[in-house]
Amino acid sequence: QVRLVQSGAEVKKPGASVKVSCKASGYTFTNYHIHWVRQTPRQGLEWMGMINPSGGTTDYAQKFQGRVTMTRDTSTSTVYMELSSLRSDDTAMFYCAVARGIRLDYWGQGTLVTVSS
Amino acid sequence: EIVMTQSPATLSVSPGERVTLSCRASQSISINLAWYQQKPGRAPRLLIYGASSRVTGIPARFSGSGSGTDFTLTISSLQSEDFAVYYCQQHNTWPRYSFGQGTKLEIK
Repeated sequence: QVRLVQSGAEVKKPGASVKVSCKASGYTFTNYHIHWVRQTPRQGLEWMGMINPSGGTTDYAQKFQGRVTMTRDTSTSTVYMELSSLRSDDTAMFYCAVARGIRLDYWGQGTLVTVSS
Repeated sequence: EIVMTQSPATLSVSPGERVTLSCRASQSISINLAWYQQKPGRAPRLLIYGASSRVTGIPARFSGSGSGTDFTLTISSLQSEDFAVYYCQQHNTWPRYSFGQGTKLEIK
């Protein structure tokens, strides 16, 4: 069965970067895009961007352009989302999700990132 | 960017009641709309896509409708496990998505 397992919670200081991983299993890794979604109490669910594991191409939301980088490692079926120049309002739960076509139908368990001095 | 607006923000209902949640897009998105359910401490769960197509395994009491800019999610008879937050999401601008702010269903 399709499964996405994300890395554990992180605590970062303002200005730092965080790199969250998402390991996929149960399907052919290069067949489907993986998306990242941020969730905060204030902003709700925000689409951050996506990566095509086949070629590594990415598409980022304008809000996160210049601060987010998504990469993949096909040898371990893992995608990574790195967010830089962290601010306190970046404190959030981050999710990865597989898009089979247009459907975000499998999600990781979430990774809590806390930004605090 | 397409802005999705959900109403109401919170809905207090009793088990067994029929409930309708609304979602409006800032411009036409045809039928390219999905609905998700999220319970505390859990990831969102896809219920409906293409405005009205129910995901395999989702109970028939969940139904979606609408096209263009106005959409609804109807739960025909609320069960205790349905109390959660519901989000709409447009996939008209695939692969770029946007979500509504959510409607919280709480027990009356």
